Amino acid sequence: QLQLQLSGPGLVKPSETLSLTCTVSGDSFSSYNYYWGWIRQPPGKGLEWIGSIYHTGSTYYDPSLKSRVTISVDTSKSQFSLNLTSVTAADTAVYYCARHPTGRLTGTVDFWGQGTLVTVSS
Amino acid sequence: EILLAQSPGTLSLSPGERATLSCRASQSVSSNYLAWYQQKPGQTPRLLIYGASSRATGIPDRFSGSGSGTDFTLTINRLEPEDFAVYYCQQYATSPAVTFGQGTRLEIK
Repeated sequence: QLQLQLSGPGLVKPSETLSLTCTVSGDSFSSYNYYWGWIRQPPGKGLEWIGSIYHTGSTYYDPSLKSRVTISVDTSKSQFSLNLTSVTAADTAVYYCARHPTGRLTGTVDFWGQGTLVTVSS
Repeated sequence: EILLAQSPGTLSLSPGERATLSCRASQSVSSNYLAWYQQKPGQTPRLLIYGASSRATGIPDRFSGSGSGTDFTLTINRLEPEDFAVYYCQQYATSPAVTFGQGTRLEIK
């Protein structure tokens, strides 16, 4: 049974770096049938794609966040991570890690981690 | 970047009625790579429709999607109590880069 376990602090100070890690279990992390992504949802608002990564390390980022985002992968641990620098209150959101299928449904999300609220506040 | 505008922002209907939700793209979504998701309070989104009109696995046939180009519609026939939720459209024509609409809240009248 697939699980995406998200870990990281729930409170980050302004101007600091938000760091989250998603650990994948119950599925082949390095399968070419999937790639992995980060999506966030500010309180009371809609979904925002942050970026995605293949197990090979190829990354894609939302243009509006690209200068502040780094997504990395550790295949030995079946993990992928998000770093978002210079955070402000506008980065307060529920952060989700997610699985994207490849093939004809590439880009959709077929499995979501439970999400974690990250608050940016001093 | 393809922007998606959903309307209405909130839709108030009664169980048994039909819901019609709209998603309009700022430019044509190639190959109709448009998906719909349902999100209930405290839950993660669930994929309902992909390819504008194909139901995902396990989705009841009262949910249907239609449209092409820049205008897409999600229709829910005979609303059930569990259908009241927030619905998001997503374009994945430019994947891996994707965008979501701002959502339509379907509430009980």
